[in-house]
Amino acid sequence: DQQVKQNSPSLSVQEGRISILNCDYTNSMFDYFLWYKKYPAEGPTFLISISSIKDKNEDGRFTVFLNKSAKHLSLHIVPSQPGDSAVYFCASINSGGGADGLTFGKGTHLIIQP
Amino acid sequence: DGGITQSPKYLFRKEGQNVTLSCEQNLNHDAMYWYRQDPGQGLRLIYYSQIVNDFQKGDIAEGYSVSREKKESFPLTVTSAQKNPTAFYLCASSEHGGNDRGRDRSYNEQFFGPGTRLTVL
Repeated sequence: DQQVKQNSPSLSVQEGRISILNCDYTNSMFDYFLWYKKYPAEGPTFLISISSIKDKNEDGRFTVFLNKSAKHLSLHIVPSQPGDSAVYFCASINSGGGADGLTFGKGTHLIIQP
Repeated sequence: DGGITQSPKYLFRKEGQNVTLSCEQNLNHDAMYWYRQDPGQGLRLIYYSQIVNDFQKGDIAEGYSVSREKKESFPLTVTSAQKNPTAFYLCASSEHGGNDRGRDRSYNEQFFGPGTRLTVL
């Protein structure tokens, strides 16, 4: 039973355009969300996060939007660059107790085409 | 140069043998975590530790064991009881365990090591 869902296994975007990666969650106790970027055979690196008390957080080319009523968040990358090609994981933290680690989605492989 | 180190990067073992994966951090973080990644899957939590001498099972703890005798170190042992041990193992740490929406991002952010790919033959 997946609590964090990334329904697009891969996404191809032209360089310079906007990349939009989506993430849905089912657990209403999740109240902090993070996006990680991962290259093959490396550990994930933190990209950007958002607390449920906000609906938008921006950091340079990266913006995360949170729609709590829809239990949906998205990561926007604009403009997309070749170095953005990687797997992006959406992750959440449960404020209601339970295991203290992050709950991850399965990831979306972003491919930036020249 | 602060960070998390995992060694070795690649590890091969025969079926039925226990194997211990190393994880060290010099970030002075309280909390440490072990995740496993399988092809086409997200990361799944195996064990976590919020403080020294304390650890808790994650979602897929069966067949694994850990210890947290020192703040800097959180080794993971993959035992012969783990039915599908071949995977990419990732260690992470965070400044504190737990979630506090009022804190800044460093309170919740987890930093990951480079990973160990374990192959059981």
